Amino acid sequence: GESVGLHLPTLSVQEGDNSIINCAYSNSASDYFIWYKQESGKGPQFIIDIRSNMDKRQGQRVTVLLNKTVKHLSLQIAATQPGDSAVYFCAENNAGNMLTFGGGTRLMVKP
Amino acid sequence: DGGITQSPKYLFRKEGQNVTLSCEQNLNHDAMYWYRQDPGQGLRLIYYSQIVNDFQKGDIAEGYSVSREKKESFPLTVTSAQKNPTAFYLCASTNPGTGGTDTQYFGPGTRLTVL
Repeated sequence: GESVGLHLPTLSVQEGDNSIINCAYSNSASDYFIWYKQESGKGPQFIIDIRSNMDKRQGQRVTVLLNKTVKHLSLQIAATQPGDSAVYFCAENNAGNMLTFGGGTRLMVKP
Repeated sequence: DGGITQSPKYLFRKEGQNVTLSCEQNLNHDAMYWYRQDPGQGLRLIYYSQIVNDFQKGDIAEGYSVSREKKESFPLTVTSAQKNPTAFYLCASTNPGTGGTDTQYFGPGTRLTVL
């Protein structure tokens, strides 16, 4: 079936460096993608989203890139800070208001 | 947590008991969802409701029940038929058709442990 997955389960970066978290999706009909951040013991927080008619969207310190040719989504975090340490996961919307979630990547920021 | 509250934060259940998890939202969202999250895994959909007095089974509905009597409330009951209920339960809501976003906003979660 259709699925959303992540390439790297754990990413360790030095404080101040840029982070890149990747996500592959398989449903070419998906038209909306979301990145969430989840800290331990808390609910997921919305970070940024992108629609399929765009290939890049920027927020505060975060950028999402969408490559529809290879069905790839990435989240870039600039100047990573200790507070960025969390699990990040992507989600795709391909049928009404239903989201399919990836398994998540744990980002660890070293001081 | 975007106007979505879940209670309790921690819940302990004895085997054979039913327990009900609360989810309330003041975002005026039409659609609400319940997910289950197990350690190191993604979210799995239990039930969802697109409108008051209507709800649909998700991917793992067995052993769970819901109701949607009010727009702002979507309680989840974990019944004794659920064989492995220990997990982190997340409630979410969204407002379909608001002209641009289908983002689901999540509550803080309830961690259920079976003793």
